[in-house]
Amino acid sequence: GAVVSQHPSWVICKSGTSVKIECRSLDFQATTMFWYRQFPKQSLMLMATSNEGSKATYEQGVEKDKFLINHASLTLSTLTVTSAHPEDSSFYICSAQHGAQNIQYFGAGTRLSVL
Amino acid sequence: KQEVTQIPAALSVPEGENLVLNCSFTDSAIYNLQWFRQDPGKGLTSLLLIQSSQREQTSGRLNASLDKSSGRSTLYIAASQPGDSATYLCAVRFQGGSEKLVFGKGMKLTVNP
Repeated sequence: GAVVSQHPSWVICKSGTSVKIECRSLDFQATTMFWYRQFPKQSLMLMATSNEGSKATYEQGVEKDKFLINHASLTLSTLTVTSAHPEDSSFYICSAQHGAQNIQYFGAGTRLSVL
Repeated sequence: KQEVTQIPAALSVPEGENLVLNCSFTDSAIYNLQWFRQDPGKGLTSLLLIQSSQREQTSGRLNASLDKSSGRSTLYIAASQPGDSATYLCAVRFQGGSEKLVFGKGMKLTVNP
């Protein structure tokens, strides 16, 4: 199956710093990628839809200025958590839409801990 | 509102039992439905994908069925093993122009040896 790589898998940062998470589709091109957040013992909640070459579409309640998304190529989307605070600590997972197969493939996730 | 529900939230069974996991969704107009497995602190592993035109999919000891008219899907696990212990998530891609998946809250399965 198709592979989506997400990096880093775990990051610890101080409050007020920014953290960048990368999501790459390794063997297919993805015009659309998705960013999800998962709090402990909760399900995945979609944060935003990332479209190559255009602005991301954010879900209601997600601050676009805090969670910056860039999808500059067909194989890479990045999520930057700006001025991170402890309440941003969560598990972030990306997925990439395989156009030909019409299936989303998921990365392994990034655990963010903000001290 | 398009929602996905999984009940119960948790299930604990002895090894060897055949299991049925339930998923219900509010809108029958769907593109596909997908079952995932998630181990603690890990990402998602796709188990089975059922397209809107299909009634079921099988992979090894797993069988997933889809009944759009009633808004239900079941994941059947035969001869459960301790290694099946994980959280199982159901996700639906609804029709309507968006490619996003709507996830249920998951069901935590514990298979006891």
